Amino acid sequence: KAGVTQTPRYLIKTRGQQVTLSCSPISGHRSVSWYQQTPGQGLQFLFEYFSETQRNKGNFPGRFSGRQFSNSRSEMNVSTLELGDSALYLCASSFSGASQETQYFGPGTRLLVL
Amino acid sequence: LAKTTQPISMDSYEGQEVNITCSHNNIATNDYITWYQQFPSQGPRFIIQGYKTKVTNEVASLFIPADRKSSTLSLPRVSLSDTAVYYCLVGETGANNLFFGTGTRLTVIP
Repeated sequence: KAGVTQTPRYLIKTRGQQVTLSCSPISGHRSVSWYQQTPGQGLQFLFEYFSETQRNKGNFPGRFSGRQFSNSRSEMNVSTLELGDSALYLCASSFSGASQETQYFGPGTRLLVL
Repeated sequence: LAKTTQPISMDSYEGQEVNITCSHNNIATNDYITWYQQFPSQGPRFIIQGYKTKVTNEVASLFIPADRKSSTLSLPRVSLSDTAVYYCLVGETGANNLFFGTGTRLTVIP
């Protein structure tokens, strides 16, 4: 079974631009979560989608948004990029997102904002 | 989510057994203990999960004493490719519940 895939793997943008990241979950998984990982803050939860609906949201500004499609693929969008948005963005999937389910992570998208 | 405490870093020679201990004094009755491994610029990878006593899989073993206030991840005969950061998580590991602390940076030396 193929793992979680994320595209692109690397991205360079400038301040003020916007970016869209893509995540394809493991086949059969309907819960997709997004995380931001930085050296200073560690791994932080952004939001979770299940059946095309955002179910949970972390403490990030409205510039961070996402969506999920009927095939469970998900996209994350960051508008008006800031230097502090430079990070590794990770997508994780699980069957239903239940409290004790293991999250399976993708390789991440490394975003650099100049 | 129960707070965990792990050593910041560890060094080990190739071929040795490595034990990484995690303290979680406030673990709740329903909490599970989960370990993840992360290589640079990659997503965390699930290693093992347990509730009590001992759990073993093809990659590692997890030892949990009766009081469950700590746990030990055991990696048998480590190789250079085991150099990574290892995270101990306690509690719910669902979609919005993950809390990765600073983890333990393991360096395997040839």
